[in-house]
Amino acid sequence: DAKTTQPTSMDCAEGRAANLPCNHSTISGNEYVYWYRQIHSQGPQYIIHGLKNNETNEMASLIITEDRKSSTLILPHATLRDTAVYYCIAFNFGNEKLTFGTGTRLTIIP
Amino acid sequence: DVKVTQSSRYLVKRTGEKVFLECVQDMDHENMFWYRQDPGLGLRLIYFSYDVKMKEKGDIPEGYSVSREKKERFSLILESASTNQTSMYLCASSSVGPYGYTFGSGTRLTVV
Repeated sequence: DAKTTQPTSMDCAEGRAANLPCNHSTISGNEYVYWYRQIHSQGPQYIIHGLKNNETNEMASLIITEDRKSSTLILPHATLRDTAVYYCIAFNFGNEKLTFGTGTRLTIIP
Repeated sequence: DVKVTQSSRYLVKRTGEKVFLECVQDMDHENMFWYRQDPGLGLRLIYFSYDVKMKEKGDIPEGYSVSREKKERFSLILESASTNQTSMYLCASSSVGPYGYTFGSGTRLTVV
């Protein structure tokens, strides 16, 4: 699976959109981009995934660049409960195993 | 609400004890996984299973074994617990295909 690079930490004001970037310049054509988050002392939680097109669900939006070398997770109206570590993972589901990096620690500021 | 249930939230065991960590999922998922999480090291895959009675080594299998006798249950076994196995253990399951993993809440194991 391709390696991803994320900033170590970010802050965002409550109520604003949180934009979390991820670089995956070596991603291959059959690898999906997955996002998970982990709130303190809990197991990781699936957020969203995509292959080529932008995706949106009730939690977030995922914007993938046309060359697929980077993506951005958008939390449209961040709340204090969105404070967590966010993991971006390039995943070939044929391998069926996720490899987690160190993620981005997002802190929502009141 | 679909879920992955880990039998214990906190566990304290003595060095040399045999330890069983149990994980049960109610989603009829084919795949199940055991990770451990340590500060500064992130989540590391210990073992995983694609099907009943099947198991595959992950990145750090040493000192661990697993058992999957039924589709819904995946057990992690520490044959002889050691202090360096003190960690948060996380179980997950997934269906075949580009679907997300569902994680349990974790078991914080302390070996003294």
